[in-house]
Amino acid sequence: GAGVSQSPRYKVAKRGQDVALRCDPISGHVSLFWYQQALGQGPEFLTYFQNEAQLDKSGLPSDRFFAERPEGSVSTLKIQRTQQEDSAVYLCASSLEGRGGFNEKLFFGSGTQLSVL
Amino acid sequence: GQQLNQSPQSMFIQEGEDVSMNCTSSSIFNTWLWYKQDPGEGPVLLIALYKAGELTSNGRLTAQFGITRKDSFLNISASIPSDVGIYFCAGPYGGSQGNLIFGKGTKLSVKP
Repeated sequence: GAGVSQSPRYKVAKRGQDVALRCDPISGHVSLFWYQQALGQGPEFLTYFQNEAQLDKSGLPSDRFFAERPEGSVSTLKIQRTQQEDSAVYLCASSLEGRGGFNEKLFFGSGTQLSVL
Repeated sequence: GQQLNQSPQSMFIQEGEDVSMNCTSSSIFNTWLWYKQDPGEGPVLLIALYKAGELTSNGRLTAQFGITRKDSFLNISASIPSDVGIYFCAGPYGGSQGNLIFGKGTKLSVKP
Protein backbone atom coordinates (compact mmCIF):
# COMPACT_ATOMS: atom_id res chain seq x y z
CA GLY A 1 0.00 0.00 0.00
CA ALA A 2 0.89 3.64 -0.18
CA GLY A 3 1.34 4.15 3.53
CA VAL A 4 1.68 2.34 6.84
CA SER A 5 -1.55 0.52 7.61
CA GLN A 6 -2.66 -0.44 11.12
CA SER A 7 -5.57 -2.55 12.27
CA PRO A 8 -7.86 -2.51 14.04
CA ARG A 9 -8.40 1.22 14.20
CA TYR A 10 -10.08 0.91 17.59
CA LYS A 11 -9.98 -1.90 20.10
CA VAL A 12 -11.91 -2.18 23.34
CA ALA A 13 -10.72 -4.89 25.69
CA LYS A 14 -11.81 -6.05 29.10
CA ARG A 15 -9.11 -6.01 31.74
CA GLY A 16 -7.22 -9.29 31.59
CA GLN A 17 -7.96 -9.94 27.93
CA ASP A 18 -5.18 -10.49 25.39
CA VAL A 19 -5.03 -8.23 22.32
CA ALA A 20 -3.10 -8.30 19.04
CA LEU A 21 -2.43 -5.18 16.98
CA ARG A 22 -1.31 -5.42 13.38
CA CYS A 23 0.99 -3.22 11.33
CA ASP A 24 1.54 -3.36 7.58
CA PRO A 25 4.60 -1.20 6.82
CA ILE A 26 5.38 0.44 3.51
CA SER A 27 6.54 -2.24 1.09
CA GLY A 28 10.31 -2.60 1.05
CA HIS A 29 10.90 -0.70 4.27
CA VAL A 30 13.64 -2.30 6.33
CA SER A 31 12.93 -0.79 9.72
CA LEU A 32 9.74 -1.00 11.75
CA PHE A 33 9.02 0.73 15.03
CA TRP A 34 6.22 0.55 17.59
CA TYR A 35 5.38 3.57 19.71
CA GLN A 36 2.85 4.08 22.51
CA GLN A 37 1.07 7.43 22.83
CA ALA A 38 -0.87 8.14 26.00
CA LEU A 39 -3.54 10.84 25.94
CA GLY A 40 -1.99 14.30 25.86
CA GLN A 41 1.55 12.98 25.52
CA GLY A 42 4.06 12.50 22.78
CA PRO A 43 4.73 9.04 21.39
CA GLU A 44 7.09 6.83 23.39
CA PHE A 45 9.35 4.24 21.80
CA LEU A 46 8.51 0.59 22.44
CA THR A 47 10.51 -1.61 20.09
CA TYR A 48 12.44 -1.72 16.81
CA PHE A 49 12.83 -4.32 14.06
CA GLN A 50 15.35 -4.39 11.25
CA ASN A 51 13.83 -6.83 8.80
CA GLU A 52 12.76 -9.79 10.97
CA ALA A 53 15.25 -9.14 13.74
CA GLN A 54 14.04 -7.39 16.87
CA LEU A 55 17.11 -5.28 17.64
CA ASP A 56 15.74 -3.17 20.44
CA LYS A 57 12.91 -3.86 22.84
CA SER A 58 14.08 -1.58 25.59
CA GLY A 59 10.86 0.45 25.58
CA LEU A 60 8.45 -2.41 26.19
CA PRO A 61 6.89 -1.59 29.58
CA SER A 62 6.52 -5.14 30.84
CA ASP A 63 6.82 -8.77 29.85
CA ARG A 64 3.13 -8.66 28.97
CA PHE A 65 4.12 -6.86 25.77
CA PHE A 66 5.47 -8.91 22.90
CA ALA A 67 6.16 -7.96 19.28
CA GLU A 68 7.10 -9.99 16.25
CA ARG A 69 7.85 -9.52 12.57
CA PRO A 70 8.48 -13.09 11.41
CA GLU A 71 8.92 -12.48 7.69
CA GLY A 72 10.35 -9.00 7.84
CA SER A 73 7.19 -7.25 6.68
CA VAL A 74 3.96 -7.36 8.72
CA SER A 75 4.37 -6.93 12.46
CA THR A 76 2.12 -7.77 15.38
CA LEU A 77 2.20 -6.21 18.83
CA LYS A 78 0.60 -8.46 21.40
CA ILE A 79 -0.41 -7.39 24.88
CA GLN A 80 -1.29 -10.13 27.32
CA ARG A 81 -3.58 -9.71 30.34
CA THR A 82 -4.33 -6.10 29.48
CA GLN A 83 -4.48 -3.53 32.27
CA GLN A 84 -6.18 -0.15 32.32
CA GLU A 85 -2.81 1.60 32.13
CA ASP A 86 -2.29 -0.04 28.73
CA SER A 87 -4.99 2.24 27.29
CA ALA A 88 -3.28 4.37 24.66
CA VAL A 89 -2.80 4.81 20.93
CA TYR A 90 -0.27 2.35 19.54
CA LEU A 91 1.56 3.76 16.55
CA CYS A 92 3.59 1.82 14.05
CA ALA A 93 6.21 3.47 11.86
CA SER A 94 8.45 2.21 9.11
CA SER A 95 11.62 3.49 7.51
CA LEU A 96 13.33 2.65 4.25
CA GLU A 97 16.79 2.40 5.79
CA GLY A 98 18.18 0.35 8.61
CA ARG A 99 19.69 1.57 11.85
CA GLY A 100 22.38 4.11 11.39
CA GLY A 101 21.20 5.15 7.97
CA PHE A 102 21.44 8.86 7.48
CA ASN A 103 17.92 9.19 6.26
CA GLU A 104 15.93 7.06 8.67
CA LYS A 105 12.79 9.06 8.00
CA LEU A 106 9.86 7.53 9.83
CA PHE A 107 6.44 7.15 8.23
CA PHE A 108 3.76 6.63 10.86
CA GLY A 109 0.47 4.79 10.57
CA SER A 110 -2.76 6.22 11.99
CA GLY A 111 -2.50 4.03 15.05
CA THR A 112 -4.72 1.66 16.99
CA GLN A 113 -6.59 3.24 19.87
CA LEU A 114 -6.77 0.68 22.66
CA SER A 115 -9.22 1.16 25.51
CA VAL A 116 -9.05 -1.28 28.41
CA LEU A 117 -12.14 -1.28 30.60
CA GLY B 1 16.60 10.38 31.44
CA GLN B 2 16.39 12.64 28.47
CA GLN B 3 13.40 14.93 28.29
CA LEU B 4 12.21 17.41 25.72
CA ASN B 5 10.27 20.40 27.00
CA GLN B 6 8.02 22.19 24.56
CA SER B 7 6.49 25.61 24.98
CA PRO B 8 3.92 26.85 24.84
CA GLN B 9 1.75 23.84 25.65
CA SER B 10 -1.07 25.33 23.63
CA MET B 11 -1.86 28.46 21.69
CA PHE B 12 -4.66 29.97 19.74
CA ILE B 13 -4.03 31.35 16.29
CA GLN B 14 -5.91 33.73 14.09
CA GLU B 15 -5.56 33.25 10.38
CA GLY B 16 -2.66 35.26 9.06
CA GLU B 17 -0.73 35.41 12.33
CA ASP B 18 2.84 34.20 12.70
CA VAL B 19 3.40 31.45 15.25
CA SER B 20 6.51 30.53 17.23
CA MET B 21 7.21 27.57 19.45
CA ASN B 22 10.31 26.02 20.93
CA CYS B 23 11.76 22.88 22.36
CA THR B 24 14.53 22.51 24.93
CA SER B 25 16.47 19.55 26.20
CA SER B 26 18.59 18.78 29.21
CA SER B 27 21.10 17.04 26.95
CA ILE B 28 22.62 17.51 23.52
CA PHE B 29 21.00 16.20 20.37
CA ASN B 30 22.70 15.82 17.00
CA THR B 31 19.42 15.87 15.11
CA TRP B 32 16.20 17.76 15.73
CA LEU B 33 12.93 16.78 14.11
CA TRP B 34 9.59 18.58 14.00
CA TYR B 35 6.39 16.59 13.47
CA LYS B 36 2.74 17.56 13.12
CA GLN B 37 -0.07 15.31 14.26
CA ASP B 38 -3.68 15.78 13.20
CA PRO B 39 -6.50 14.21 15.25
CA GLY B 40 -6.75 10.48 14.65
CA GLU B 41 -3.59 10.36 12.59
CA GLY B 42 0.05 9.53 13.14
CA PRO B 43 2.76 12.22 13.26
CA VAL B 44 4.05 13.51 9.95
CA LEU B 45 7.62 14.80 9.60
CA LEU B 46 7.75 18.51 8.76
CA ILE B 47 11.41 19.45 9.06
CA ALA B 48 14.66 17.68 9.98
CA LEU B 49 17.71 19.56 11.25
CA TYR B 50 21.17 17.99 11.30
CA LYS B 51 23.65 20.73 12.16
CA ALA B 52 23.92 23.23 15.01
CA GLY B 53 22.87 26.67 13.82
CA GLU B 54 21.08 25.26 10.79
CA LEU B 55 18.01 27.13 9.58
CA THR B 56 15.69 25.12 7.35
CA SER B 57 12.41 26.05 5.67
CA ASN B 58 9.53 24.00 4.35
CA GLY B 59 7.01 26.35 2.77
CA ARG B 60 5.69 28.65 5.50
CA LEU B 61 7.52 26.68 8.17
CA THR B 62 11.01 27.54 9.34
CA ALA B 63 12.96 25.66 11.98
CA GLN B 64 16.30 26.30 13.60
CA PHE B 65 18.77 24.00 15.33
CA GLY B 66 20.07 25.90 18.37
CA ILE B 67 23.78 26.59 18.69
CA THR B 68 23.96 24.87 22.07
CA ARG B 69 22.40 21.72 20.50
CA LYS B 70 19.96 21.74 23.40
CA ASP B 71 17.14 23.62 21.74
CA SER B 72 15.22 24.12 18.54
CA PHE B 73 12.60 26.55 17.29
CA LEU B 74 9.73 26.29 14.84
CA ASN B 75 8.04 29.26 13.22
CA ILE B 76 4.93 29.26 11.08
CA SER B 77 4.32 32.36 9.03
CA ALA B 78 0.92 33.62 7.90
CA SER B 79 -0.98 30.78 9.57
CA ILE B 80 -3.97 29.20 7.87
CA PRO B 81 -6.77 27.10 9.41
CA SER B 82 -5.19 23.81 8.35
CA ASP B 83 -2.18 24.59 10.54
CA VAL B 84 -4.18 23.54 13.60
CA GLY B 85 -2.94 20.37 15.19
CA ILE B 86 -0.25 19.25 17.61
CA TYR B 87 3.38 19.98 16.84
CA PHE B 88 6.02 17.73 18.36
CA CYS B 89 9.75 18.13 18.52
CA ALA B 90 11.75 14.93 18.62
CA GLY B 91 15.33 13.78 18.76
CA PRO B 92 16.98 10.42 18.22
CA TYR B 93 18.79 8.49 20.93
CA GLY B 94 20.37 5.12 21.39
CA GLY B 95 22.31 5.09 18.14
CA SER B 96 19.32 4.98 15.83
CA GLN B 97 17.68 7.83 13.96
CA GLY B 98 14.38 6.04 14.45
CA ASN B 99 14.45 5.63 18.23
CA LEU B 100 12.94 8.99 18.95
CA ILE B 101 12.17 10.83 22.13
CA PHE B 102 9.26 13.21 21.67
CA GLY B 103 8.23 16.32 23.55
CA LYS B 104 4.68 16.62 24.87
CA GLY B 105 3.66 18.81 22.00
CA THR B 106 2.33 22.30 21.32
CA LYS B 107 -1.35 22.32 20.43
CA LEU B 108 -2.46 24.93 17.91
CA SER B 109 -6.12 25.85 17.87
CA VAL B 110 -8.12 28.48 16.05
CA LYS B 111 -9.15 31.55 18.02
CA PRO B 112 -12.87 31.51 18.66
